[in-house]
Amino acid sequence: AQKITQTQPGMFVQEKEAVTLDCTYDTSDPSYGLFWYKQPSSGEMIFLIYQGSYDQQNATEGRYSLNFQKARKSANLVISASQLGDSAMYFCAMREEGTALIFGKGTTLSVSS
Amino acid sequence: GAVVSQHPSRVICKSGTSVKIECRSLDFQATTMFWYRQFPKQSLMLMATSNEGSKATYEQGVEKDKFLINHASLTLSTLTVTSAHPEDSSFYICSARARGGHYNEQFFGPGTRLTVL
Repeated sequence: AQKITQTQPGMFVQEKEAVTLDCTYDTSDPSYGLFWYKQPSSGEMIFLIYQGSYDQQNATEGRYSLNFQKARKSANLVISASQLGDSAMYFCAMREEGTALIFGKGTTLSVSS
Repeated sequence: GAVVSQHPSRVICKSGTSVKIECRSLDFQATTMFWYRQFPKQSLMLMATSNEGSKATYEQGVEKDKFLINHASLTLSTLTVTSAHPEDSSFYICSARARGGHYNEQFFGPGTRLTVL
């Protein structure tokens, strides 16, 4: 069964607008971590933000914030004030206790001027 | 932040040959390294997990005799694609977890693009 689900293959946004990238997950482990990575066309994986399952507050890192709704098992990424350089593939990932990161299928974000 | 390097960044080889990809943690000791494969416009799929000094654990469907993984030291893991075929053409990415690192620390290499002719 798929553990990380990203339902948006592609998203389009204009510069300076905010965009939300959806991610839902499935786990029975009470201890887990949720991650978002950005992958530009160069292929490198750029870590954006992390949310632990026990964290009470939503994680924020600059223009990135993670909307963590534990009961719904969702961990949406919000990018505020989009920039042209934000155009890339975005992956949601999860790690359960003692395991490797497992990735969703990704969302391609296109930012236009 | 911690740096993970991969070599080579790109490799083109003929069908039937073997290719070795190196993954190094440059400024930290990596007790665990992970190898992922990514086909164009698809997700990263975990191939195997290797711990220093022990045999790698392969994910279901990954042929361990075809994808040889060696994690001989705390800073180096290698992936050898043996008898490569065109369907092995892919982007291979390694990732490393630091000894004593925090739960959220898993660092990625820049990837190796393999093309098998």
